[in-house]
Order: sequence, then C-alpha cells, then structure tokens
Amino acid sequence: QVQLVQSGAEVKKPGSSVKVSCKASGITFSNYGFNWVRQAPGQGLEWMGAIIPVFGTANYAQKFQGRVTITADGSTNTAHMELSSLRAEDTAVYFCARGNIVYNTYFDHWGQGTLVTVSS
Amino acid sequence: DIQMTQSPSTLSASVGDRVTITCRASQNINKWLAWYQQKPGKAPNLLIYEASILQSGVPSRFSGSGSGTEFTLTISGLQPDDFATYYCQQYNFYSTFGQGTRVEIK
Repeated sequence: QVQLVQSGAEVKKPGSSVKVSCKASGITFSNYGFNWVRQAPGQGLEWMGAIIPVFGTANYAQKFQGRVTITADGSTNTAHMELSSLRAEDTAVYFCARGNIVYNTYFDHWGQGTLVTVSS
Repeated sequence: DIQMTQSPSTLSASVGDRVTITCRASQNINKWLAWYQQKPGKAPNLLIYEASILQSGVPSRFSGSGSGTEFTLTISGLQPDDFATYYCQQYNFYSTFGQGTRVEIK
C-alpha cells in the first residue's frame, strides 16, 4: 500500500534551518509530485510548495520563496523540504502529500506529519 | 493569489443531520476543488476532488457540488465518525486551502 513516512520531530533555534524528509513506498516515485503543507498549532493548512521528481523542478508559494527548498531523490524515493531562517511563527506540523504529476493537484496520500518547534 | 473562504467556521449538529459547508473562491477555479476531513493529531484525508468526485473508499453520504466560485460539501446523515474539521482546497493555480469548518456535536 501507499505510504509516506516522514522524519521525526525537530526543535530548532531561531535563525537556523530544518530539513524534513518524506520517504515514499508502494508507488512508482517518478509518477507523482510531492507537496509540502504546514499547519501551525490550532490553525489551518498552508501549501508551501511542490516538486515533480521526473521534471526535477520545484515550485514554491510566494510567501516562502527564498526560504524554502524542496528536493527529491529518486534513488531513495524520498522528498525533502528545507526551511531556513526559522522564526517562532514557523512552529508547525509539516506534512508531505502526494499529488498528480502537475503542480495544480489535489493530494490523495499524506505523510504522518513532522512537528517542528522553533524556540530559543 | 486565490483566496478561499469557508462558512461557517463552526457547525453544531446531531447524528443523523444533513449538514452543508460552503466554500467560495475569490476568482473562477472551474471545477478544481477538493475537500478534506481532518481529525485532531492526524493528517487530512481526501474526500472529494474535481468538486464532485468521491474519492475511493469514502462513504457515499459525502457529496460535493459547485463550479466557478461557489462550492458545497454535504454530509447526508451525519455519523459519529464525521465530527471533525473540513477543509476545501483550490488547485486551479497551485494550492490554497480554506480556513476550515469544525463540525461539532450539538
């Protein structure tokens, strides 16, 4: 069955970076796109960006441009999201989600989420 | 950016009720809208895509309608497992989510 398994919780200092991974199994990695969505405590869902591994390109929400980098490694079927210059407002659960092989897509499978806490 | 506005923010209902949640887009998104259910501490779960297509495995009491800028999610015969938060998502241009609608027990 399809599984997206994310890396574990992180605690980071303001100004540092965090890298979250999402390992896919049960699918042909190159047939899909992988998106990152975050959810601050008690808040709604916010799309950050996506990568389509077969194209090797990523697109980002304007809000995160310059601060987020999404990559994919086809040899390990893993997508990564790195967020830099962390601030307290970046404390959130970060989800990876599978989409179709386009940037404009719904998400039919999600990872379990990774809590990133930014605190001094 | 395309803004998505859901209403109501909170909805109180009883088991067996028919409930409707509305989602409005700030511009025409055709049929490119999805609905998700999320329970506390869990990832969202896809219910409906392309405004009205039921995702495999989702109970038929869930239905979606609409196109353009106005969309609805209807739950016909609310079940105990349906008390959760629901989000709409436009994917006409990248992705934007609505702010969510919490369905609580009356």
